[in-house]
Amino acid sequence: EIVMTQSPATLYASPGESVTLSCRASQSVGHYLAWYQQKFGQAPRLLIYGTSTRATGIPARFSGSGSGTEFTLTISSLQSEDFGVYYCQQYDRAPPDTFGQGTKLEHK
Amino acid sequence: DVQLLESGGGLAQPGGSLRLSCEASGFNLRSYVMSWVRQAPGKGLEWVSTSSGDGSATYYADAVKGRFTISRDNSKSTLSLYMSSLRPDDTAVYYCARLFSSSWGVRDHWGQGTLVTVSS
Repeated sequence: EIVMTQSPATLYASPGESVTLSCRASQSVGHYLAWYQQKFGQAPRLLIYGTSTRATGIPARFSGSGSGTEFTLTISSLQSEDFGVYYCQQYDRAPPDTFGQGTKLEHK
Repeated sequence: DVQLLESGGGLAQPGGSLRLSCEASGFNLRSYVMSWVRQAPGKGLEWVSTSSGDGSATYYADAVKGRFTISRDNSKSTLSLYMSSLRPDDTAVYYCARLFSSSWGVRDHWGQGTLVTVSS
């Protein structure tokens, strides 16, 4: 099973700042990497797939990059609605697919 | 609009069983791979099971293999998950999710989830 490791576990930031979340795979997953946002009490929401393609309706301030085993999600000019938990997910040769443990983005 | 509505969660005893349902609307269920993903309280997301569009191909996480069965009735736009031999560590919110286009991993729509609690 491919293990996904996200860092940091918690990230503190303020509206207007730019932040970068990291995700590492235990083996190469090519570009088969997605990012999801989850707010408290809600279902996850797809943000990015194929490492860098934004899902429908996702603002341009969300961007993804990387390949192989190292990936990042950058949120530029944070908005108040961006706080929550972010999960990366690999889907190379899925199923199975696996998620990272999440990065909690909290207000500073 | 695409909507997924789960039902069937609740309290079950260890060793017991439950059947979850997911009613899909706003799209043709037959055309999409569907999956179940769960989230234990305060924990992250865990893939549980996936079904091909016609139901002929099904896949399970090792943690549930032999105990859970995924099925679908495309004529009724319903996806199901039959869970048996339940254990306390099956306690979680169970989400039904649609897989994006022909992908087997990207989930573009999720239901709101249904809580399963396994406890005596």
